[in-house]
Amino acid sequence: QSALTQPASVSGSPGQSITISCTGTSSDVGGYNYVSWYQQHPGKAPKLMIYEVSNRPSGVPDRFSGSKSGNTASLTISGLQAEDEADYYCSSYTSSSTGVVFGGGTKLTVL
Amino acid sequence: QVQLQESGPGLVKPSQTLSLTCTVSGGSISSGDYYWSWIRQPPGKGLEWIGYIYYSGSTYYNPSLKSRVTISVDTSKNQFSLKLSSVTAADTAVYYCARQDTAMVTYGYWGQGTLVTVSS
Repeated sequence: QSALTQPASVSGSPGQSITISCTGTSSDVGGYNYVSWYQQHPGKAPKLMIYEVSNRPSGVPDRFSGSKSGNTASLTISGLQAEDEADYYCSSYTSSSTGVVFGGGTKLTVL
Repeated sequence: QVQLQESGPGLVKPSQTLSLTCTVSGGSISSGDYYWSWIRQPPGKGLEWIGYIYYSGSTYYNPSLKSRVTISVDTSKNQFSLKLSSVTAADTAVYYCARQDTAMVTYGYWGQGTLVTVSS
């Protein structure tokens, strides 16, 4: 199974909005609504931010939103804040192994 | 509040077997709502799903690691374990255990991670 494709880096200024894409295939992102997004700060374990494409766990700010079109999922962060600077990973169920595949990760820099 | 904690050697010699255990507290590993997973992250790189196990013992592995991986569960101790054989330097990584919701295929709870270095 191949990793999902994410941009290596994105950046934005405080208050702005950014979008991170996550591209897969019909065997994973495009075929199922089991896309999740994780935030990871240096030295920490990943934290779930979005599940099932667009749902936010309790406690996650509504500045974080998710969507999907075809084989590409997207994470949008609006009203960027300094604490949003982190690495972001998407994941999806994959029928190729009845398992999970992650994206390569995107480093978000808040300018 | 569910907590997961990895334990095991931080240094393994090449060609040997890496063994880690994840202890689950605050919840039963025998719950039918979850898969118990291992995920790793090489230094400076992304996350890689290794595999998961159901409390009944059913397992699912990453095809790229399947020939070397064994995940097992001990419900009496509320633990699950990872064995990775014939390790090389490429297996050096932070290894996380995590709880996967079976319905949503998502990881809401993670251990803190443990760094395993493969070196002679």
